[in-house]
Amino acid sequence: NAGVIQTPRHKVTGKGQEATLWCEPISGHSAVFWYRQTIVQGLEFLTYFRNQAPIDDSGMPKERFSAQMPNQSHSTLKIQSTQPQDSAVYLCASSLDGQYAEQFFGPGTRLTVL
Amino acid sequence: GEQVEQLPSILRVQEGSSASINCSYEDSASNYFPWYKQEPGENPKLIIDIRSNMERKQIQELIVLLDKKAKRFSLHITDTQPGDSAMYFCAAEGGTGSKLSFGKGAKLTVSP
Repeated sequence: NAGVIQTPRHKVTGKGQEATLWCEPISGHSAVFWYRQTIVQGLEFLTYFRNQAPIDDSGMPKERFSAQMPNQSHSTLKIQSTQPQDSAVYLCASSLDGQYAEQFFGPGTRLTVL
Repeated sequence: GEQVEQLPSILRVQEGSSASINCSYEDSASNYFPWYKQEPGENPKLIIDIRSNMERKQIQELIVLLDKKAKRFSLHITDTQPGDSAMYFCAAEGGTGSKLSFGKGAKLTVSP
């Protein structure tokens, strides 16, 4: 079991460019979560899917951020027109069922917006 | 959404002593409370969790206490070792869904 896989591990973009982050959940896990981690804000929930369906995107900035899960083996987080304040570590997690279940985190993608 | 407060943010103890981290939450419907340990450059890893039908849970040197009335929960690490040095995050899963709301974290340093 390779755990949750996230690519790329590091991404540097210029202000205004687009960034797409990829997550491959643990095989058999039905819930996929996206979080953002910064020194100032800590770990913040962004969005999550269960059985590929979007369930809760209450943490997503309304503009520029979008997430999809086209199949059970991967999810993407897309940030359009990146801004310096988007710089953070973006963590993907998966769990067997969702509720009350351990969330296994991936290694994260460190996004730096210059 | 759920708000989780975590204190202290920095904790320094001597090897062999105990360390305690306290968290409080607002949503009385929250019913699952995991604790994650994160070492530098690594992803957060679950170390212990407790559900709302329990008041106490212990795994080896880790003890979690939950007071639902006061909406507080805490992590106690007994007989700390230098390998326990890390960031510790408490979290609460709200009653309306599976997302975790995290505390801001506590940096524990255990000195030999």
